Amino acid sequence: DAGITQSPRHKVTETGTPVTLRCHQTENHRYMYWYRQDPGHGLRLIHYSYGVKDTDKGEVSDGYSVSRSKTEDFLLTLESATSSQTSVYFCAISGNRGGYTFGSGTRLTVV
Amino acid sequence: KQEVTQIPAALSVPEGENLVLNCSFTDSAIYNLQWFRQDPGKGLTSLLLIQSSQREQTSGRLNASLDKSSGRSTLYIAASQPGDSATYLCAVVSGSARQLTFGSGTQLTVLP
Repeated sequence: DAGITQSPRHKVTETGTPVTLRCHQTENHRYMYWYRQDPGHGLRLIHYSYGVKDTDKGEVSDGYSVSRSKTEDFLLTLESATSSQTSVYFCAISGNRGGYTFGSGTRLTVV
Repeated sequence: KQEVTQIPAALSVPEGENLVLNCSFTDSAIYNLQWFRQDPGKGLTSLLLIQSSQREQTSGRLNASLDKSSGRSTLYIAASQPGDSATYLCAVVSGSARQLTFGSGTQLTVLP
C-alpha cells in the first residue's frame, strides 16, 4: 500500500541473532500495529503503538520488543530469534475513521 | 476477550454464482468491522469498512452488512468470477487499544 511500507520483504537469519523489522508510514496516523500470521493461528497482535514512545503488548508479545521514536516509524525487534518466530509479519496503521491499512509483509525465516 | 468466527472455512462455487460469507463476533461493543481479501503469499487488501453505526456498505459487486446487536456480519459477492478466488477475512475493532481481531477466514475458489 502506498501509505505504509515494510522492510525487509524477506529475511533469513540464524537462531540466537537479533533481528529488526521496520514499518514506515506516510499517513501521520497515531496508531501502528505489528501482527504475525501463521497457518492454523491466523493473524495475531504482537505489539501496538498509540503515539511516539507509547507502546503496549498484544497477545503474543513474548520474545519481541518495539520502539517508536518518530510518528512515521515503528520498529519490531526479535532480541534473540528462535525457530518459533519464523512467520510472516505485518505492520498496520489505523486512521481517523478506524479502518486498518496493512503493509505488504515481511517473511522471516529463522534457521 | 473478543472472538471472531467465520463460516464456512472453505467454499467452492462455479463462476457466476452469488454467494454469502458469514462472520460472527462475541462482544458487540465494536467500533467497526472490516472485510479483507488475501491472495496466497500476499498482504491484506481492505474491501469494506462498516462503522458501528452503519448497517451496510457496498462496493461494486460486494455488499457487507452488520448487525451489531446480534454480533453478525455477512459479505455478499454477486456474480462471482475466478478472480474472486482468495481468502476473505473478517475483523472487528474493539477495546481501548482499538485492536483488530481476526476470524480464521473463508477460502473461496470460483471455478471457471
